[in-house]
Amino acid sequence: EVQLLESGGGLVQPGGSLRLSCAASGFTFSRYAMSWVRQAPGKGLEWVSTVTSSGDGTYYADSVKGRFTISRDNSENTLYLQMNSLRAEDTALYYCAKYVRFFDLWGRGTLVTVSS
Amino acid sequence: DIVMTQTPLSSPVTLGQPASISCRSSQSLVHSDGNTYLSWLQQRPGQPPRILIYKISNRFSGVPDRFSGSGAGTDFTLKISRVEAEDVGVYYCMQGTQLPLTFGGGTKVEIK
Repeated sequence: EVQLLESGGGLVQPGGSLRLSCAASGFTFSRYAMSWVRQAPGKGLEWVSTVTSSGDGTYYADSVKGRFTISRDNSENTLYLQMNSLRAEDTALYYCAKYVRFFDLWGRGTLVTVSS
Repeated sequence: DIVMTQTPLSSPVTLGQPASISCRSSQSLVHSDGNTYLSWLQQRPGQPPRILIYKISNRFSGVPDRFSGSGAGTDFTLKISRVEAEDVGVYYCMQGTQLPLTFGGGTKVEIK
C-alpha cells in the first residue's frame, strides 16, 4: 500500500528541539522530492520545507529557515525534519507529503505542541 | 511570495446543486517550462488533505468527474457539478510554480 507515516511529534517547551520522521512505503521513495507541510489548530495549510529526490537540494519557508533542517535517508525510505529553537507559533499538525509540483500523497500528520 | 486568494470563505450548498470556488494568484503561475502548477486539494473533517486537481484541470486518479478545474494565468476555478454529502470539507488551491510554495486560505463547503 502506498502510504506515508509520520512520527516524532509531542509536547516540547519553547526553545526546545524535536525530530520528526516520515516512513514511506509502496512507491520508489528515492525518485521523488518530499516536503513537510503544517497546519496550526483551526488554520490553513503552510508549506514548511522541501528536499530534492537525492537530498542535495533543500528549501525552507522564511518562518523556519535557520531553525529547521530537512533531510532524507533513501536507503531507509525515511524523511526527517529536525526542529530546533521551537516557538509557540510552531504548534501545528505536521504532514509529510510527496511533491511533484503538487502534493499527490499525504500522511496523516504528527502533532507538535510548543508550550511551557 | 505569490499570494493565493480564495473566494468565498464559505459556501453553503444544497445537495445535488453545483458549487464553485475561485482562486486568484498575485502573479502569473505560468512556469518557464510552459506549465501552470495550480492544484486543488480537499480536506474532509478530521482528515489529511488529498489532491483533487493538478495543473489547472487534470483530475487526479480516483477523483470523481463531478470535480473540474479551469482557468489560466492568475485566475482559477474549481467546480463541483452536483454536491454530495461526502464533499463537505475545506478546499485549498496551491501554487507549485515558484518557491515558497503557497496555499489559498481555504473555502469551507457545507450543506445547507
